[in-house]
Amino acid sequence: DQQVKQNSPSLSVQEGRISILNCDYTNSMFDYFLWYKKYPAEGPTFLISISSIKDKNEDGRFTVFLNKSAKHLSLHIVPSQPGDSAVYFCAAISLTGTASKLTFGTGTRLQVTL
Amino acid sequence: DARVTQTPRHKVTEMGQEVTMRCQPILGHNTVFWYRQTMMQGLELLAYFRNRAPLDDSGMPKDRFSAEMPDATLATLKIQPSEPRDSAVYFCASAASLQPQHFGDGTRLSIL
Repeated sequence: DQQVKQNSPSLSVQEGRISILNCDYTNSMFDYFLWYKKYPAEGPTFLISISSIKDKNEDGRFTVFLNKSAKHLSLHIVPSQPGDSAVYFCAAISLTGTASKLTFGTGTRLQVTL
Repeated sequence: DARVTQTPRHKVTEMGQEVTMRCQPILGHNTVFWYRQTMMQGLELLAYFRNRAPLDDSGMPKDRFSAEMPDATLATLKIQPSEPRDSAVYFCASAASLQPQHFGDGTRLSIL
């Protein structure tokens, strides 16, 4: 049972435009959400996170939005750059629970074209 | 920048052989995770340790996989005997008590 879902396996966006990557979750106990970026032959690197007490967190070109009622979050990249081409993983965790397990989605491959 | 170090980066071996993957977590991080990445499942958590004690290994096939932390600077993931379906990229990650986790660059394992 996939508790964190990224339903779009791939996304292609033109340089300079906005990239929107989506993520849905089913476990209402999740209270902290993270986005990781992964280049080929490298490990995932942390990009941005959001706590469930917020609905938006911004860091430069990256903004994450959280809609708790819809159990949905999204990552916006504006403007998109060719170096943003990578696989993006959404992850979720319950910090108030006894476990520290991150649950990952299956990833969305973003291709930023010139 | 401090990094999680994984060895080997690549491993090709025949079915039935023992495979050992190693991980050096970031100094000061007290939580270590082992993940497996496959095309179908994405990143699956296999096991994790806090302060060297195993907290959860429910994601790991117990009959052939074992994970240990002999000391604070080394975590190992062993497969014995290995099978072709174990072919995947295995990642180690470490974290201080709270998130985020920092990942190594993985071990790409191919079982023939």
